[in-house]
Amino acid sequence: GAVVSQHPSWVICKSGTSVKIECRSLDFQATTMFWYRQFPKQSLMLMATSNEGSKATYEQGVEKDKFLINHASLTLSTLTVTSAHPEDSSFYICSASWAGASGMTDTQYFGPGTRLTVL
Amino acid sequence: GEDVEQSLFLSVREGDSSVINCTYTDSSSTYLYWYKQEPGAGLQLLTYIFSNMDMKQDQRLTVLLNKKDKHLSLRIADTQTGDSAIYFCAERVGTALIFGKGTTLSVSS
Repeated sequence: GAVVSQHPSWVICKSGTSVKIECRSLDFQATTMFWYRQFPKQSLMLMATSNEGSKATYEQGVEKDKFLINHASLTLSTLTVTSAHPEDSSFYICSASWAGASGMTDTQYFGPGTRLTVL
Repeated sequence: GEDVEQSLFLSVREGDSSVINCTYTDSSSTYLYWYKQEPGAGLQLLTYIFSNMDMKQDQRLTVLLNKKDKHLSLRIADTQTGDSAIYFCAERVGTALIFGKGTTLSVSS
């Protein structure tokens, strides 16, 4: 149980284009989804937290107009990197959690990640 | 602020035990987690411990928590080559997870 998928797993795009990454919880309803960014050999940096049906909460320093997050349903959140530039190249990982599961309240389950390369 | 520290590398021989250590700073942490990341992949939840517990064992994995010293460790018994990966310690503060930089475990046969 508690499987999270991401699509695509790998994307290359030209500078100036927008890229959408999907995060799905496959066998549970995620009340909260998180988006992280990971640089090579670095830890995960939380970008934003989103609850279904409400606006995402962005961490300090993360541009909300650059990284658009939509959490339209309890099983799907999307991250759109708008007008991507080479410095946006990174590994983007989402996670999903649900409240109230006995003994595992709010544990985050992670997707496999999406490698974005901007040329 | 919150900070989670881990040693960066650990090298062991197959069959030995591995111990990965982690320290954290926020005493209000509710849960502490260990995640495993293989190359090019996302994070796999290995185990977690509630902050009022001292120890948790799950098959080959043993988690020890010293809340007074804010020290967490993960012991992997009978380490196998398939255990080679990066291991992240994370503390949960509110709804956020604060991650360490990860410990790269290398297992030689």
